[in-house]
Amino acid sequence: GAGVSQTPSNKVTEKGKYVELRCDPISGHTALYWYRQSLGQGPEFLIYFQGTGAADDSGLPNDRFFAVRPEGSVSTLKIQRTERGDSAVYLCASSLGTSGGPGELFFGEGSRLTVL
Amino acid sequence: KQEVTQIPAALSVPEGENLVLNCSFTDSAIYNLQWFRQDPGKGLTSLLLIQSSQREQTSGRLNASLDKSSGRSTLYIAASQPGDSATYLCAVREIRSGNKLVFGAGTILRVKS
Repeated sequence: GAGVSQTPSNKVTEKGKYVELRCDPISGHTALYWYRQSLGQGPEFLIYFQGTGAADDSGLPNDRFFAVRPEGSVSTLKIQRTERGDSAVYLCASSLGTSGGPGELFFGEGSRLTVL
Repeated sequence: KQEVTQIPAALSVPEGENLVLNCSFTDSAIYNLQWFRQDPGKGLTSLLLIQSSQREQTSGRLNASLDKSSGRSTLYIAASQPGDSATYLCAVREIRSGNKLVFGAGTILRVKS
């Protein structure tokens, strides 16, 4: 597609449930990022993929969070045993990743997660 | 640890005014700095990207400057319009971590008609 696509746009779940959030990056973009944004704050880095591999997962808050990108395109962020504190907007971004110099990031509309 | 601060946190101006949004960062070892716009309930729209070797970038009524040595950037909006109302975020791509953007908390701008 023309831009970064994220689904679902809204997800309401109960505490303790499992959630998957999907990101389809801009075609040809090899770098993919997940960020989390809480109300009134700037986005916080979660994980970065270059191709199929997670090049930097230092932002994942704990082992309940996991992300995959098996074919180097679509990525899924997985959250196990959700907690109320996980409620936030999860943003995905992509860029033409190069080892020599990072390029401009393009963001999707986000997936708003509410844990009751 | 890189910290990005945006001042003011909120700004309300009458239509037609020129305005300046400020961004400061603590670690000057950056690849680039990017300004974004975010409308309520929406994702981020990239406005301007300034590479570390550049001093400014312009797009229409927007002009962004970068003073890397002092850790500052400004976003200048000329002849503001009600449609400019949004949250403006700045983010730096730091060399130390390589590939992640570190964001400020944003400036909420309201342009009154």
